[in-house]
This record gives sequence, C-alpha cells and structure tokens, in this order.
Amino acid sequence: ETGVTQSPTHLIKTRGQQVTLRCSSQSGHNTVSWYQQALGQGPQFIFQYYREEENGRGNFPPRFSGLQFPNYSSELNVNAWELDDSALYLCASSLAEGANEQFFGPGTRLTVL
Amino acid sequence: AQKVTQAQTEISVVEKEDVTLDCVYETRDTTYYLFWYKQPPSGELVFLIRRNSFDEQNEISGRYSWNFQKSTSSFNFTITASQVVDSAVYFCALTSEGSNFGNEKLTFGTGTRLTIIP
Repeated sequence: ETGVTQSPTHLIKTRGQQVTLRCSSQSGHNTVSWYQQALGQGPQFIFQYYREEENGRGNFPPRFSGLQFPNYSSELNVNAWELDDSALYLCASSLAEGANEQFFGPGTRLTVL
Repeated sequence: AQKVTQAQTEISVVEKEDVTLDCVYETRDTTYYLFWYKQPPSGELVFLIRRNSFDEQNEISGRYSWNFQKSTSSFNFTITASQVVDSAVYFCALTSEGSNFGNEKLTFGTGTRLTIIP
C-alpha cells in the first residue's frame, strides 16, 4: 500500500510568483485535504476535495485554489505568493465516510523571499 | 466555531518518566471526533488515535493511553515509561459530523513539543 506522497519537497519562491504543489493520495482514498502549517503552529485547513469538487474551505483567499483528478491526486495552486505564505504545506488523504482518520504526506516546505 | 487548546507549549522529561499531554476542546456539535497526531522532526504527521464523542472509554495502546472526559471537554494523552524516540511535537485535533458526510476539516491545537532527555 502506497502512502501519501507530495512534490516538491522544498521550494523557494519570490513574491508574486505562481506555483503548483502536488499530492498523490493513499491507495483507495477518495478525499484530499490541504493544510498550511506555519513555523511553531498547528496545521490550518485550506480546503478539501472529494469527487473532483471542493468540499469545504478554510479562511484562505481566492488566490489559493486546487484541483482533484479522477485518480484522486490533487494540486494546490497559489497565484502571487506573499511573504506570509512561507510554511509547510501538508496534504492528507482519507476515505469520505465516517470522519475517518486523515493520513498525511511529508509536506512541501515553501520559503518566500 | 471549533477550538482546540494545548496549553503546554514545551515539556521536557527524563527518559522512563511518565508524561501527560493536555488537550481541551470546544464545539457546539453533539457528534464529533478527536484525534492525536505525532510530528517528528521529519515533518510528517503520524496518526495515533481517533475517538468519537459517544465513546468515553479510556484507551491503552502499549505505552500510550488516552483519557477522554466530556464533562471537562478534555482528551489527554499519557506516555508511560517515555523513550527518546517519543521526542516530537504532538497535536490534538477535532472534527465534526459534516453535512455531506463525516469527513470534514480537522481543527488542530498549537501542539506540545515533547523532549525526552536520555
């Protein structure tokens, strides 16, 4: 059974750039959630995708967007990174029914200069 | 609104001592789920336990045990005979039964950094 994978591992961007983060869900999982974890903080929910549609969104601006593909993998896209966006971006996959535990990937560490 | 509070920012104990990590939560929902995750230095969150709001039985898994008390809205985590490998940041999290299906967003606490001194 393959776990959750994310790419890239690390990323350095300058303000205003656009970037795509990728996530492959664990085998058999149909739901993907994205979280932002600033240094010294707990993860903050960005959004969740189920059946290729957004299924809930946290308090993040519209420049944070996502996609889910038929194979349940997902992308997080951010237009115009800002300094405050420097964080660890975590992807988690799960089965939709019954508040099952979410399994997390290793994350993408983003630094905005 | 949901909220999870982990008042202990950092804890250090000597190896083989017992340690308890506190978690207090707030929610208006009657059906909810509580979780503990471990985050080692590598950064990946590791699932430890899930507990639903209707099951207040305490649980033990090896050196780990969890004490869920709805009366005080607490879900505390105890490590018995701590080991150096237990050093990590531990997060308590909460989710509720959503309108579509049960798997809504997780609300995390700010975490407790646990250091086990050899």
